[in-house]
Amino acid sequence: KQEVTQIPAALSVPEGENLVLNCSFTDSAIYNLQWFRQDPGKGLTSLLLIQSSQREQTSGRLNASLDKSSGRSTLYIAASQPGDSATYLCAVGSWGKLQFGAGTQVVVTP
Amino acid sequence: ETGVTQTPRHLVMGMTNKKSLKCEQHLGHNAMYWYKQSAKKPLELMFVYNFKEQTENNSVPSRFSPECPNSSHLFLHLHTLQPEDSALYLCASSQDGVTDTQYFGPGTRLTVL
Repeated sequence: KQEVTQIPAALSVPEGENLVLNCSFTDSAIYNLQWFRQDPGKGLTSLLLIQSSQREQTSGRLNASLDKSSGRSTLYIAASQPGDSATYLCAVGSWGKLQFGAGTQVVVTP
Repeated sequence: ETGVTQTPRHLVMGMTNKKSLKCEQHLGHNAMYWYKQSAKKPLELMFVYNFKEQTENNSVPSRFSPECPNSSHLFLHLHTLQPEDSALYLCASSQDGVTDTQYFGPGTRLTVL
């Protein structure tokens, strides 16, 4: 059974610092991995999707890497801003079913 | 309306009530999903529909009954719920139901008294 773990559970950084969020999974037989952002009480916003054949994806200040063999993904957010404060979720996809981690709650202080 | 919409956004119901949650996607996708997000727990997949056919039921109790009349609409019918069913219920859709990005609605916050 797939297990998805996100470390750390919470993170607080001053504005301008780079953020590094980690996600690990136990079963490497995946189709893709997605990173989402969730603001309090709201739905999820898709940030990046990495297919299993890819090593990384980039969008603006966001970069996500995937090492399928070691069961790891890392989300980098460059030059953090207070608006980046949210919970970040990673989800591993297999046959259209997403298995989510518990998330990393990020606070960026001005 | 764009993206994935859900109604109502908030719902309070007693354990003997019957209510329904509605989800509509305006993206032309073929797959739709129900997820449950409880406090302090990861999101849990409940149901998956591909081209209106249910392809996944993740051992969900029968007091939750999904309905997918077409590829754009998804309902979750609720009856005789328990207080532990209080949660945020999220709907999502994707193009192919296998490898594509899933797009989520804003969710319905359900409280069962």
